[in-house]
Amino acid sequence: GAVVSQHPSRVICKSGTSVKIECRSLDFQATTMFWYRQFPKQSLMLMATSNEGSKATYEQGVEKDKFLINHASLTLSTLTVTSAHPEDSSFYICSARPLRIGLAGAGPRETQYFGPGTRLLVL
Amino acid sequence: GQNIDQPTEMTATEGAIVQINCTYQTSGFNGLFWYQQHAGEAPTFLSYNVLDGLEEKGRFSSFLSRSKGYSYLLLKELQMKDSASYLCAVFDSNYQLIWGAGTKLIIKP
Repeated sequence: GAVVSQHPSRVICKSGTSVKIECRSLDFQATTMFWYRQFPKQSLMLMATSNEGSKATYEQGVEKDKFLINHASLTLSTLTVTSAHPEDSSFYICSARPLRIGLAGAGPRETQYFGPGTRLLVL
Repeated sequence: GQNIDQPTEMTATEGAIVQINCTYQTSGFNGLFWYQQHAGEAPTFLSYNVLDGLEEKGRFSSFLSRSKGYSYLLLKELQMKDSASYLCAVFDSNYQLIWGAGTKLIIKP
């Protein structure tokens, strides 16, 4: 239980283009999904928190017009990097927090379950 | 400010035991997580402590002392596949997850 998928796993794009990353909770419904960015040899940096049907809450320093988040359902959130630049190249990881506890092999309700990540390279 | 401290890197031998420490100073406390992250992959959930004491789960155990702002992850019978980064994360009073920078564990044969 508690499986989260991300698509694509890897993307290379030209500077100025937009890239959409999908995050899906496959076997549970998620009240909240989180988007992180991780640079090499650094810890996770929370970018934004999204709740289904409402606007995302962005962390300080994260441009909401550049990183568009849509949380259309309890199992799907998307992150769109608009007008990507080389400095946006990073490892983007989503996580989801279950609506209900009791998932097989899961931790408490507050546990975040991570997708496999998307490696973005902007040329 | 909120702060979580972990050693940057540790080295241990296959078959041995290693303890990874984590100290935290946060505005409130609502639980502590340990995650494992292999290179190039996303983190996976290992353990959660909200009360003082030791939680054992197979080869891995996690300990918490709230009065000391301290936790450790204990890995026994180390295997080469345990080579990874181990992330400590704390829920503060607002249930915001504060992440440590992670401890890179290197296992040698």
